Amino acid sequence: SAVISQKPSRDICQRGTSLTIQCQVDSQVTMMFWYRQQPGQSLTLIATANQGSEATYESGFVIDKFPISRPNLTFSTLTVSNMSPEDSSIYLCSASSGMDTNEQFFGPGTRLTVL
Amino acid sequence: AQSVAQPEDQVNVAEGNPLTVKCTYSVSGNPYLFWYVQYPNRGLQFLLKYITGDNLVKGSYGFEAEFNKSQTSFHLKKPSALVSDSALYFCAVRDLTLSGGYNKLIFGAGTRLAVHP
Repeated sequence: SAVISQKPSRDICQRGTSLTIQCQVDSQVTMMFWYRQQPGQSLTLIATANQGSEATYESGFVIDKFPISRPNLTFSTLTVSNMSPEDSSIYLCSASSGMDTNEQFFGPGTRLTVL
Repeated sequence: AQSVAQPEDQVNVAEGNPLTVKCTYSVSGNPYLFWYVQYPNRGLQFLLKYITGDNLVKGSYGFEAEFNKSQTSFHLKKPSALVSDSALYFCAVRDLTLSGGYNKLIFGAGTRLAVHP
């Protein structure tokens, strides 16, 4: 299994600013994903981070709001842009090395509060 | 469309008693099913998965899950609950919709398990 770390673990930000969240995996992985977990809710997939190409966004999420980078097989970033209080959530990074089983390992999450 | 349902928002059980957290699914084709646990202020931890084979799958921390194709269920079970099992549990199913060339996971709403001493 992969060990995943995220930075920062939490942050409090002002409306209109942007925050970049980093995700580091301790081994090379095929796929990396970014999820949002709003308070008391389940996980919603934001996008799949593709190494060397543009991320694949899910319905309701756009690149201008959530730009994603994945420069190599162990690292990805998610930026939450022009934040509003509705962006207050836990943001989770996950990784998978299996194409068939889709077993995913998750980072500890970044708890974001927007004032 | 693929989906997974967790009909109980919360399950309460006394320590030492058996526990069951329910999950039902709807997929076309063979289901790949997963259980994850989320402890307070932590990310999700993988518990177990069903891909094929025996209907009873054993996972981490003494948990197991039973795949029932006729009832389209994948309930999580443990013979004897511990207070430390108190957490949020998520069932997930593979979504056949491809994203970036790979299958995605769809998560249920989650069930909060409370184990009382």
